[in-house]
Amino acid sequence: GQQVMQIPQYQHVQEGEDFTTYCNSSTTLSNIQWYKQRPGGHPVFLIQLVKSGEVKKQKRLTFQFGEAKKNSSLHITATQTTDVGTYFCAGPSGTYKYIFGTGTRLKVLA
Amino acid sequence: DTGVSQDPRHKITKRGQNVTFRCDPISEHNRLYWYRQTLGQGPEFLTYFQNEAQLEKSRLLSDRFSAERPKGSFSTLEIQRTEQGDSAMYLCASSPIKRILAKNIQYFGAGTRLSVL
Repeated sequence: GQQVMQIPQYQHVQEGEDFTTYCNSSTTLSNIQWYKQRPGGHPVFLIQLVKSGEVKKQKRLTFQFGEAKKNSSLHITATQTTDVGTYFCAGPSGTYKYIFGTGTRLKVLA
Repeated sequence: DTGVSQDPRHKITKRGQNVTFRCDPISEHNRLYWYRQTLGQGPEFLTYFQNEAQLEKSRLLSDRFSAERPKGSFSTLEIQRTEQGDSAMYLCASSPIKRILAKNIQYFGAGTRLSVL
């Protein structure tokens, strides 16, 4: 079945360092979404990418959708302690279902 | 929007008991999803409703699991004869259909944490 993998599984960074997580799907995706889940919290939508090669920015966060629409990345510039959490990508599978990636847990050391 | 509401927030039960969880989606959100999340994993799709119709159900969902969404408003997820392996966070999410730019965005509730002893 369709799989969505993310690397790395964990990342510890010093505050101010950059962070990148990568998402890879076994199938081509019509769109890809990114969610953030704070420790003890629930997933919160960040962004959706639809077009091949699309790049979107939200302040210090940069999201990319690969040309083949099978991979995506999230890059955070100059991390802050508020960036702590697990970042998930999610892609549609069929008409209604979304498959979530394995997630990347980010810890930021002050 | 008042947000997606789930009840209860925590449930502790003994193996073999039945449990029922409730989800109140954001009003006018036609789509409703149930997910299960275990520690260190991403949300795992369980089932999907569009209005009152259950349009997809995961093959991972055994016959002990059933979900309903009467009248297309709130939804319930019931687990019969609970097993220790059912211990997890059960998340509900809703999304709109009519707002084109937002129609795929899933708004999650805080979840119900189930512990089966």
